[in-house]
Amino acid sequence: AQSVTQPDIHITVSEGASLELRCNYSYGATPYLFWYVQSPGQGLQLLLKYFSGDTLVQGIKGFEAEFKRSQSSFNLRKPSVHWSDAAEYFCAVVANSGGGADGLTFGKGTHLIIQP
Amino acid sequence: GAGVSQSPSNKVTEKGKDVELRCDPISGHTALYWYRQRLGQGLEFLIYFQGNSAPDKSGLPSDRFSAERTGESVSTLTIQRTQQEDSAVYLCASSSLPGTVYEQYFGPGTRLTVT
Repeated sequence: AQSVTQPDIHITVSEGASLELRCNYSYGATPYLFWYVQSPGQGLQLLLKYFSGDTLVQGIKGFEAEFKRSQSSFNLRKPSVHWSDAAEYFCAVVANSGGGADGLTFGKGTHLIIQP
Repeated sequence: GAGVSQSPSNKVTEKGKDVELRCDPISGHTALYWYRQRLGQGLEFLIYFQGNSAPDKSGLPSDRFSAERTGESVSTLTIQRTQQEDSAVYLCASSSLPGTVYEQYFGPGTRLTVT
């Protein structure tokens, strides 16, 4: 079974600074990988996803993530954060067998705080 | 178009009572998922429906939890004899046919509080 680790429970970044949120997964093959954002009182929104091909994927709101097979990682990055980026971020994986139609396995999330 | 909707948005119930949570998926989406999010935790997969196939119940935490889906539309998650540890936000998601590059679209959730 697959698993996801987000090592940082909280991260504080100054507005305008760069951001990297870490995600490590455990799975026997290359899974499908996702990053979701959950703002206070809001539902989960998909930021970006990786299925195959180019290991650097671009998402919405200026986010990107890089899949590194050798490190079993899928870290999320943004070059310059905005106060509106303050939220909870979740990394998720699903097995690529069966078309990836199984339930997602989520990490415990990273709470992003933006300092003015 | 309309997204995934869930009702009620909030539910407070007494320990030992049964509750029903409803999910309306995006029209045309054949796959439907239920997740649970406890305070400060990530999401836990509960159950998955795909078309007329038998549901994947591998994530249900106990036999007090059950879910049904009417065709490819509405789903109901039922929790019997609720316990305080059932307090959580219950999220529903839907997706289009597997076999393509798919993604799950989440509803706003139902916040369940068991007193």
